[in-house]
Amino acid sequence: AQSVTQPDIHITVSEGASLELRCNYSYGATPYLFWYVQSPGQGLQLLLKYFSGDTLVQGIKGFEAEFKRSQSSFNLRKPSVHWSDAAEYFCAVSRGAGNMLTFGGGTRLMVKP
Amino acid sequence: DAGVIQSPRHEVTEMGQEVTLRCKPISGHNSLFWYRQTMMRGLELLIYFNNNVPIDDSGMPEDRFSAKMPNASFSTLKIQPSEPRDSAVYFCASSFGGAGDTQYFGPGTRLTVL
Repeated sequence: AQSVTQPDIHITVSEGASLELRCNYSYGATPYLFWYVQSPGQGLQLLLKYFSGDTLVQGIKGFEAEFKRSQSSFNLRKPSVHWSDAAEYFCAVSRGAGNMLTFGGGTRLMVKP
Repeated sequence: DAGVIQSPRHEVTEMGQEVTLRCKPISGHNSLFWYRQTMMRGLELLIYFNNNVPIDDSGMPEDRFSAKMPNASFSTLKIQPSEPRDSAVYFCASSFGGAGDTQYFGPGTRLTVL
């Protein structure tokens, strides 16, 4: 069965510092991988996604993620965090022809001034 | 486009009452998904429709839950009777339906069952 693990439930970083959010997946085939962001009281917004090809994927808001098949990881990074990045971040893997998503438990990011 | 529209945004009801959540997907999207988000279980897929037909309802918790999609622009998720453990945020999402296509999420309905 497919699964997604986000080891860090909470992360706090200072504004301007770099960020890396971890994601590990378990999936039998080549995965479709996604990162979504959820601001308080809002729905989920797609940051980026990976299908194939270049393992470094660029997304919106200055985020990028790197797919590492050998480590079954798809970590999200940002070189310099802004206070507006405070939110909850979800990694997901797509399963089946219908593109059904299995989500990780989420990582809540707090940004210190 | 207005995006995925959900109503109501908030619903407070008493145990045993029927609850109906509504969703309007993005025009032209062929797939529609209902998710539930709770602190304990995170984000879970409840049911998935393609071209208005339910394809996978393995995530529906029990018979108290039912979902319909009578046409391409409308879907409902009904809970009858509701229980306090159904309290959660329910999201609807839609996509074009191809493998790996982006799912666009609505703002969610926060359901509280007293």
